[in-house]
Amino acid sequence: DAGVIQSPRHEVTEMGQEVTLRCKPISGHNSLFWYRQTMMRGLELLIYFNNNVPIDDSGMPEDRFSAKMPNASFSTLKIQPSEPRDSAVYFCASSLRTGRSGYTFGSGTRLTVV
Amino acid sequence: GENVEQHPSTLSVQEGDSAVIKCTYSDSASNYFPWYKQELGKRPQLIIDIRSNVGEKKDQRIAVTLNKTAKHFSLHITETQPEDSAVYFCAASMWAGTASKLTFGTGTRLQVTL
Repeated sequence: DAGVIQSPRHEVTEMGQEVTLRCKPISGHNSLFWYRQTMMRGLELLIYFNNNVPIDDSGMPEDRFSAKMPNASFSTLKIQPSEPRDSAVYFCASSLRTGRSGYTFGSGTRLTVV
Repeated sequence: GENVEQHPSTLSVQEGDSAVIKCTYSDSASNYFPWYKQELGKRPQLIIDIRSNVGEKKDQRIAVTLNKTAKHFSLHITETQPEDSAVYFCAASMWAGTASKLTFGTGTRLQVTL
């Protein structure tokens, strides 16, 4: 299995631009999570999906952030417009049975907004 | 919601010594407690987990203990080696069907010195 695949690995963009992060979960996993990691705030859950349905988006910081999961093999996290404080590493993770097994994380996308 | 506290934030041990990292959680309904290791610039990876129906689990040099009454759990690494140097995260979740999420601690940076 190729694991959880995220793209791009690195993204540098100017403030105000739209950013789209992509994630392909492990085939057969039915839960998908988007986390943001910074030195100050650690690992923060932004949103998660079960069976492609958003369950909890209370961690999404602002309306500038949105996430979709159109099918079981693909999810996007969009930031529009981006701001410098959005700079972080964004991880996608998937799980077979949420809460009963560990997550498998992707390699992350390092986002820098200048 | 769940709140997970982790201590210490940094830990330095000499090679061959033991390391202990402690976490407490707030939600007595939590029943799944994984530990993740994150090397510099890499993704968090599951190293061991424990469920609420057991008090201790061991895997070679790594062990985890759980005290449900006190709502705390600990990671024990024996005979530490330089390759154990990383950031370790504890987490907790309550499995309820398919709708649950992991709440992470703030991490412990472990440095194993020669």
